[in-house]
Amino acid sequence: QKEVEQDPGPLSVPEGAIVSLNCTYSNSAFQYFMWYRQYSRKGPELLMYTYSSGNKEDGRFTAQVDKSSKYISLFIRDSQPSDSATYLCAMSAIRGGADGLTFGKGTHLIIQP
Amino acid sequence: KAGVTQTPRYLIKTRGQQVTLSCSPISGHRSVSWYQQTPGQGLQFLFEYFSETQRNKGNFPGRFSGRQFSNSRSEMNVSTLELGDSALYLCASSLPTDRGSYEQYFGPGTRLTVT
Repeated sequence: QKEVEQDPGPLSVPEGAIVSLNCTYSNSAFQYFMWYRQYSRKGPELLMYTYSSGNKEDGRFTAQVDKSSKYISLFIRDSQPSDSATYLCAMSAIRGGADGLTFGKGTHLIIQP
Repeated sequence: KAGVTQTPRYLIKTRGQQVTLSCSPISGHRSVSWYQQTPGQGLQFLFEYFSETQRNKGNFPGRFSGRQFSNSRSEMNVSTLELGDSALYLCASSLPTDRGSYEQYFGPGTRLTVT
């Protein structure tokens, strides 16, 4: 069993839809959770950074963490074609990932105009 | 503020050669981490440096090494290249704290092709 599982997709939705992206993990030591967006041939771009369980909202993005279920989610409201990218979840036991971030394989998201 | 910069952006090497990649962190960031990204394995942690010292290391062979300079710039070296080393090598920088670091910001990566 991999430490972090993420559906690779592709996930295709129409413009304006609400998108739900998810990751599950097995290491209960993880406390810090991140979502990155990666466009083709670019480096990952940090979208959300959360600590422990709960919700965090930033514009059209909402991150949820449920440590009891070892499950994290990213919601994108009013999705736009420019949101088409690969979304990577990442997590670590030490603040900021100084022990090395553990990534999911990424979900390829396509927003249809 | 300028982001993380990596040079070169693209590199082609032959099996058995060695390669050195460079990373300049965001100004003021003193922690630098390196990752390897491949289609099969995804993003995998190589090592992390702070104040010229390697604090953490991932599960990679000794052919992969790195260093950090006093100005926080970092280099990683891969010796005796193998075909499987073909990957996107990503550098990330962050502000360190006494209990780890703040969030990591990635550079654009160096795409290494080994033939």
